[in-house]
Amino acid sequence: NAGVTQTPKFRVLKTGQSMTLLCAQDMNHEYMYWYRQDPGMGLRLIHYSVGEGTTAKGEVPDGYNVSRLKKQNFLLGLESAAPSQTSVYFCASSYSRQDLNYGYTFGSGTRLTVV
Amino acid sequence: DAKTTQPPSMDCAEGRAANLPCNHSTISGNEYVYWYRQIHSQGPQYIIHGLKNNETNEMASLIITEDRKSSTLILPHATLRDTAVYYCIVIRTTSGTYKYIFGTGTRLKVLA
Repeated sequence: NAGVTQTPKFRVLKTGQSMTLLCAQDMNHEYMYWYRQDPGMGLRLIHYSVGEGTTAKGEVPDGYNVSRLKKQNFLLGLESAAPSQTSVYFCASSYSRQDLNYGYTFGSGTRLTVV
Repeated sequence: DAKTTQPPSMDCAEGRAANLPCNHSTISGNEYVYWYRQIHSQGPQYIIHGLKNNETNEMASLIITEDRKSSTLILPHATLRDTAVYYCIVIRTTSGTYKYIFGTGTRLKVLA
């Protein structure tokens, strides 16, 4: 199993450009999440989804949009990139059974630089 | 969800047990304790979770105090590959969302 796959792994954008980060999971997980991590800091939740067709805001949603059209994919979009969005982006998925969450599986990250 | 407090850094000699503490004094009865680690710049890795009983798996042991206000992650025989940032997270798993709030964690350095 591939687990959680993030595409691309690296990207450099110019200020004002747009892009989409793709997250794909093959574990049939209901829940998916996008986090960002800035140097020396913990992860901060951007958006998340509790199932196909649903999305919700996390701690730092401004400047980002997401979509979950298929259960296995969770897309993160930047409509007009800003230098403040330079970060490492992590996607994760998880499942639960009988209301107990069995932990997240994270992707390997996308390193985004906005110049 | 309850807030957690961890020491910013710790050192441990290779081959010795690494004991990483976490304080979660505001934890409520239906909140679980989860531990993750992040090696270098990789994605975080799930280690273990528990409610009130001590738990053990192939990676680590989790000791939760009787009053549940603190816990300790134990790596029984630390190796250099265990050098990482360790995150303690408390969440209510009946919330239906299971969204974690990560703090800054404990940076564990295993010394040769």
